[in-house]
Amino acid sequence: SQQGEEDPQALSIQEGENATMNCSYKTSINNLQWYRQNSGRGLVHLILIRSNEREKHSGRLRVTLDTSKKSSSLLITASRAADTASYFCATPRGAGNTPLVFGKGTRLSVIA
Amino acid sequence: ETGVTQTPRHLVMGMTNKKSLKCEQHLGHNAMYWYKQSAKKPLELMFVYNFKEQTENNSVPSRFSPECPNSSHLFLHLHTLQPEDSALYLCASSASGGGTDTQYFGPGTRLTVL
Repeated sequence: SQQGEEDPQALSIQEGENATMNCSYKTSINNLQWYRQNSGRGLVHLILIRSNEREKHSGRLRVTLDTSKKSSSLLITASRAADTASYFCATPRGAGNTPLVFGKGTRLSVIA
Repeated sequence: ETGVTQTPRHLVMGMTNKKSLKCEQHLGHNAMYWYKQSAKKPLELMFVYNFKEQTENNSVPSRFSPECPNSSHLFLHLHTLQPEDSALYLCASSASGGGTDTQYFGPGTRLTVL
């Protein structure tokens, strides 16, 4: 079934550095979403990028989508300790009105 | 997180117990979801409800029994669980059940089965 796979599984950086996470998926999609989860909490939606968009920004977040490579990246600029969390990409499971499927996530640690 | 609330936040139960998890959304959404999150595994979609009707059951064992009395409330009734059912159970809602929707998650219930 359709599923995003994030890479790397874990990432550790210093505060102020940029963090880049990648997501690959298997079949055609009409949108891709990124979510963040703080430890033991619910997921929080960050950004949605549609298949006809190549790049989208929201504050310190920049998301790109390359449908030819079936991949997306999430860049967090000037990271802060508060950005420490797991980040998930999510894609529709299939064509039509199907639910989202989430990957295993990238665990980001930002060290102060 | 006030948009979707879950109770209890933590639950410890024996394998012979019966308990229920409750989820309430205050967002006026029509779709609600139950997910299971275990360590080092992808988020597993368990059930989807659209306008109170179950539209998805992903081969979930019958010891998990969902109930959706209205579009704002979702329950997960638990009975004779196994230790491997210990996980974080997340509830979410969205405007409809589609893949273009943003999902709004509750804080989760951390379930431990002894």
